[in-house]
This record gives sequence, structure tokens and C-alpha cells, in this order.
Amino acid sequence: GAGVSQTPSNKVTEKGKYVELRCDPISGHTALYWYRQSLGQGPEFLIYFQGTGAADDSGLPNDRFFAVRPEGSVSTLKIQRTERGDSAVYLCASSLGTTYNEQFFGPGTRLTVL
Amino acid sequence: KQEVTQIPAALSVPEGENLVLNCSFTDSAIYNLQWFRQDPGKGLTSLLLIQSSQREQTSGRLNASLDKSSGRSTLYIAASQPGDSATYLCAVRSRGGSEKLVFGKGTKLTVNP
Repeated sequence: GAGVSQTPSNKVTEKGKYVELRCDPISGHTALYWYRQSLGQGPEFLIYFQGTGAADDSGLPNDRFFAVRPEGSVSTLKIQRTERGDSAVYLCASSLGTTYNEQFFGPGTRLTVL
Repeated sequence: KQEVTQIPAALSVPEGENLVLNCSFTDSAIYNLQWFRQDPGKGLTSLLLIQSSQREQTSGRLNASLDKSSGRSTLYIAASQPGDSATYLCAVRSRGGSEKLVFGKGTKLTVNP
């Protein structure tokens, strides 16, 4: 596709439920990143994939958060037992995969936990 | 730990004015710095990427400079227009193994007609 796409654009769920957020990177981009942005803040790093493997998951806040990228393209961010504090915009980005490359961002998924 | 600060947090200017947005970072060991624009309720649009070996980058009315040794970058917008109204974010990619970007909180720019 022309850019990074994310689905759904909005997700409303109840506390304690499980959610999955999907990211489809730019074709040919080997690196994929997840960030989380709270209101009035800059994005905060969650996890980074190079190919199929998670190269850096140091930003995941706890073990309720998990992400996969089984074929090295589409990625899914999974959140178990959602809490109200998980409400935020979840942003995905991709790049060509070397240190010097730009990251290109998708439109984000706005998650609201009631 | 890398920290990025953007000043001011908000800026309001009349149309046509030239303006400067500031970004500072605490650890000068970076690979590059990226400036983004974010419209309300939208994702981030990449504006300019400056590698650590570069001093500046230009795109149209935008010019970004980098002074790595002092930990500073500026985004200069010439002849501002109402369509430039958005939040501008800077982010750095630090040396040391991780490919993540560390962001500032952004500067919210309003250009008044």
C-alpha cells in the first residue's frame, strides 16, 4: 500500500476485555514499531520488530501487552485484561530497517477502555 | 536515558510570520533527529530527517538545523500559513543499540489568518 495502515481506527472496550490492534506496514519495510500516545504527550516506544523477531520490547509496560509479526509484514498488538489506563492512541510505524532510515507512521488506533 | 524537550509548548502567530520551534535533547550520541507534524486526531507526518553528520535539511518553507554537540535542533517555518497549524514533534534516535525514537511533547502551533 501507499502508507502504513492501522485497523480499527477506533476501539471501545470494557475493562477486563482482550483487544487486538493491527498494523500493515509499507510494502518492503523490514522494521516495524509500536508506540503509544496519551493526550498531550509525545508518543512513547513500546516494541520494535526487525523482520519477524522482536528486537526491542523494553517499552511494553507489563505482561498484559504482547505483539507478534509472524510473517515479517503485518503486526498485531495484543492487550489482555484491559485497564482504563490503557486508553490511548496506539501508533504503528515502519522503516526500511537500517538505523539511518526515516520512520513513517500510520493514522493510529484510538483505544478507549470504559 | 535520552530526554527530549520542546519549547514553547504552544505558539500563536499571525499569518505570514517567520517562526522557530526549538527542540533539545540530553544525550548527544544520536544517529539522527526527525521532525514530525501531527494534525488533531491524526497520525504523524514526517517532515524532515537530519542525520547526525548533517547540519541542516530543507524542504520547501521548512528548514531544520542540528547542533549535536549542544543537543539542540530548530525547525524554521518561513511565511507561515493557517494550514501550518498543527502540533510539531521532534524525535531522536540514540546510539546504543535500540532503533526506537524518543519524542518530545510537541509544540502546538496556531497560525491566525
